[in-house]
Amino acid sequence: GENVEQHPSTLSVQEGDSAVIKCTYSDSASNYFPWYKQELGKGPQLIIDIRSNVGEKKDQRIAVTLNKTAKHFSLHITETQPEDSAVYFCAASMATGRRALTFGSGTRLQVQP
Amino acid sequence: NAGVTQTPKFRVLKTGQSMTLLCAQDMNHEYMYWYRQDPGMGLRLIHYSVGEGTTAKGEVPDGYNVSRLKKQNFLLGLESAAPSQTSVYFCASRSQGPSYEQYFGPGTRLTVT
Repeated sequence: GENVEQHPSTLSVQEGDSAVIKCTYSDSASNYFPWYKQELGKGPQLIIDIRSNVGEKKDQRIAVTLNKTAKHFSLHITETQPEDSAVYFCAASMATGRRALTFGSGTRLQVQP
Repeated sequence: NAGVTQTPKFRVLKTGQSMTLLCAQDMNHEYMYWYRQDPGMGLRLIHYSVGEGTTAKGEVPDGYNVSRLKKQNFLLGLESAAPSQTSVYFCASRSQGPSYEQYFGPGTRLTVT
């Protein structure tokens, strides 16, 4: 089955700096790669996603890049703010079958004011 | 719209007791999922359903059963709870259509003593 690895497990940045989180996946059949933000005591919230026919996608301060050949994708957050502090998860899934998500182990991002 | 709701929010069980977690969605989604989240790990798939009346096993199904008698509801049962089932349980749903997004509920925190 699919395996998703995520690094780093914790990341501390100063407000205004950029943050980068990286994930690799194992199954070349995966074609959908979402990123979720989870705040304490809440369920995961989708912040951005990318499909395998696209190499990069941007939404204001966040962007995701995908390298299908190397099977890795990354989340980039620019101009970080204290409210960006949370746990971020990457995930992968396929377009067919059960379409369930396989998650990475998460990155705890701390933005220091 | 309420989206995805979960009942109860918290529960403490003794070893050997049983309980049912209820997930409800009002988005007319075909696919529904149960995940569990343990400290330091990403969400892992327990069971899923691709439509009313259907269920299937995910990666960690042992000790759980599910039912999908109505399209909007997905029930997760623990027949004889064990301390290893202490976790936070998340339900999610998605449509069959072109959007790949999964919508998550707020979670149920279960402690088995």
